[in-house]
Amino acid sequence: GQQVMQIPQYQHVQEGEDFTTYCNSSTTLSNIQWYKQRPGGHPVFLIQLVKSGEVKKQKRLTFQFGEAKKNSSLHITATQTTDVGTYFCAEERDDKIIFGKGTRLHILP
Amino acid sequence: DVKVTQSSRYLVKRTGEKVFLECVQDMDHENMFWYRQDPGLGLRLIYFSYDVKMKEKGDIPEGYSVSREKKERFSLILESASTNQTSMYLCASSFWAEGNQPQHFGDGTRLSIL
Repeated sequence: GQQVMQIPQYQHVQEGEDFTTYCNSSTTLSNIQWYKQRPGGHPVFLIQLVKSGEVKKQKRLTFQFGEAKKNSSLHITATQTTDVGTYFCAEERDDKIIFGKGTRLHILP
Repeated sequence: DVKVTQSSRYLVKRTGEKVFLECVQDMDHENMFWYRQDPGLGLRLIYFSYDVKMKEKGDIPEGYSVSREKKERFSLILESASTNQTSMYLCASSFWAEGNQPQHFGDGTRLSIL
């Protein structure tokens, strides 16, 4: 099955800079989830977006769902070392959960 | 808190062996999933199950089988292990409900096939 396209694959930012990862699909998504995986850890659920144009915030994290429900983004404001890890989006398709390949975030001190 | 427990953190087996990876969850979740995670490829779904004795193929089921005899336990079986099955294996569980539900993952089993 085709995965949702997630970009970039890697991102290095200076501590304090902002970071954004994008998830794109060629088909309309019913919903999208975001997960974070710390180095050496397992994916942990962050949030789910369902409505067209939905925006949700968790402290410094802002999640958006596109108006056409074909794309989504996760934006982190003023990154901190605790933000290090890989961020995955996941879509529901044919009763299966399909994960993007993830964006690995490195924070430079 | 949901607890998903995978039987081994690290496992080393030989080519041709039959390998069992066990996963147990304690939250009475209906859905259980097995993924493998490889660098640059993300998480790929191997098999999933929505109920006891029920199983569905994911995107990469070849070389694997599963067993769900009890609701809390979902086993992944490598019938005849091969070196290309060296990977990190992650088990996850979730409630069954309308729409997508958050998945809760175990710590993973890093399997090496020699």
